[in-house]
Amino acid sequence: GNSVTQMEGPVTLSEEAFLTINCTYTATGYPSLFWYVQYPGEGLQLLLKATKADDKGSNKGFEATYRKETTSFHLEKGSVQVSDSAVYFCALRRDGGTSYGKLTFGQGTILTVHP
Amino acid sequence: SQTIHQWPATLVQPVGSPLSLECTVEGTSNPNLYWYRQAAGRGLQLLFYSVGIGQISSEVPQNLSASRPQDRQFILSSKKLLLSDSGFYLCAWSSLGQGDYGYTFGSGTRLTVV
Repeated sequence: GNSVTQMEGPVTLSEEAFLTINCTYTATGYPSLFWYVQYPGEGLQLLLKATKADDKGSNKGFEATYRKETTSFHLEKGSVQVSDSAVYFCALRRDGGTSYGKLTFGQGTILTVHP
Repeated sequence: SQTIHQWPATLVQPVGSPLSLECTVEGTSNPNLYWYRQAAGRGLQLLFYSVGIGQISSEVPQNLSASRPQDRQFILSSKKLLLSDSGFYLCAWSSLGQGDYGYTFGSGTRLTVV
């Protein structure tokens, strides 16, 4: 079956530090890959996505590249801000057949950024 | 534009009481609808999904049920809540046909069963 594995958290960084949150997946075929962000007390928001191998998703300074050879979709940001403190979820979606567009999520990684 | 509404935002219910959480979508037709639960300190678990009116699929056996009485309405229910039903419930929709490859989530309902 499909699965997503994220690096264990929590991750604590100082402002302006470099961020990497690792994400690897297991799936047949060519899933679409996503990063969602959940700010305290809120629902999930789509941060970025990639739908095919070697695609790079980017938004708000965050980037992730779809690497089929390593089945990875690591999230990176060059300089984090306090406002980036949130829970980050990696997810995949297999379309077609009986998948009905269901998302499979990783466990989530808590990021805390200190001033 | 498409919007999704979920309510209530927070709920405290005693064990054994019934539950009804509602989710509605505006600005789209025939969406795929989903209920997810996020237990404390854990990731997101898909509970139910629906691809059309009256069509409900359950992903995990549990104390909850779902219904879709209208195209853009999705309801999560329980006849008798358990302590283990506590968590953060998220409704989401997607519409594959429009080329959107992601979900739009509601703002969530935090349920505490006491």
